[in-house]
Amino acid sequence: GENVEQHPSTLSVQEGDSAVIKCTYSDSASNYFPWYKQELGKRPQLIIDIRSNVGEKKDQRIAVTLNKTAKHFSLHITETQPEDSAVYFCAALTNDYKLSFGAGTTVTVRA
Amino acid sequence: DAGVIQSPRHEVTEMGQEVTLRCKPISGHNSLFWYRQTMMRGLELLIYFNNNVPIDDSGMPEDRFSAKMPNASFSTLKIQPSEPRDSAVYFCASSGLAGAGELFFGEGSRLTVL
Repeated sequence: GENVEQHPSTLSVQEGDSAVIKCTYSDSASNYFPWYKQELGKRPQLIIDIRSNVGEKKDQRIAVTLNKTAKHFSLHITETQPEDSAVYFCAALTNDYKLSFGAGTTVTVRA
Repeated sequence: DAGVIQSPRHEVTEMGQEVTLRCKPISGHNSLFWYRQTMMRGLELLIYFNNNVPIDDSGMPEDRFSAKMPNASFSTLKIQPSEPRDSAVYFCASSGLAGAGELFFGEGSRLTVL
C-alpha cells in the first residue's frame, strides 16, 4: 500500500517568513496529492491539491510542487500570518481511491 | 448543503459498552470514508464505501469494528465491545469523485472509553 512520509513534524516560523513542508510517497501509481489544514479542535480542510500531470500550482500565498520522478511533493506558505498556525497534512491517492495521509506538521507562526 | 454531519460530537462510555457513530454525507456524494485520528497514529483510513458498497475495510482494526451504509445518506460505525484504546476522534468524510476529488470531513466524533 501507499506510504506517505512528512517532514518536519513541527515547524516554528516568524510572522512574514516562509514555511516549507515536504512529503514523499512510495506508490508510483499515486496521481492526486492534496494538502489539508486542521486547526485545533476542528476538522481537516483542503487548502490546495495537485495532480500528477502538473508540476506546480499556486493559490495566493500557498503553492505546491510535485516531483513525480523523485516521488516527493512540497507545500510552500509565503508571508506567514498567525492564522496559518495549524496542523498540515499531505496525502496521496492511489489507483484504488485510497487517500493515505502523512503524519502531519504542526506549524506555529510567531508574532 | 450543511456539509457532512456526524453524531454524536462527543461520547464518553465505559469499557465493554457498544458505541455507534453516525454520519450523513453531503447529498450527491457517492464515496464515504471513516477515519480515526489519534496523536500516536495520525489519520488512519478505517473503511470506505462507493455507492453504498464497502470497497476496502482493510483498515478496520479488529472484528469489534463494523460499518454499514444502508443508503446513500447514512452510515454507521459500530464498536462492540469498546476498549480504552479505541479512544480517538472518528471522522467521516465524503467525496463526489470516488475519492479523486476533495474530501469533505465532518466535525468528528470524539470518543472516550473509560
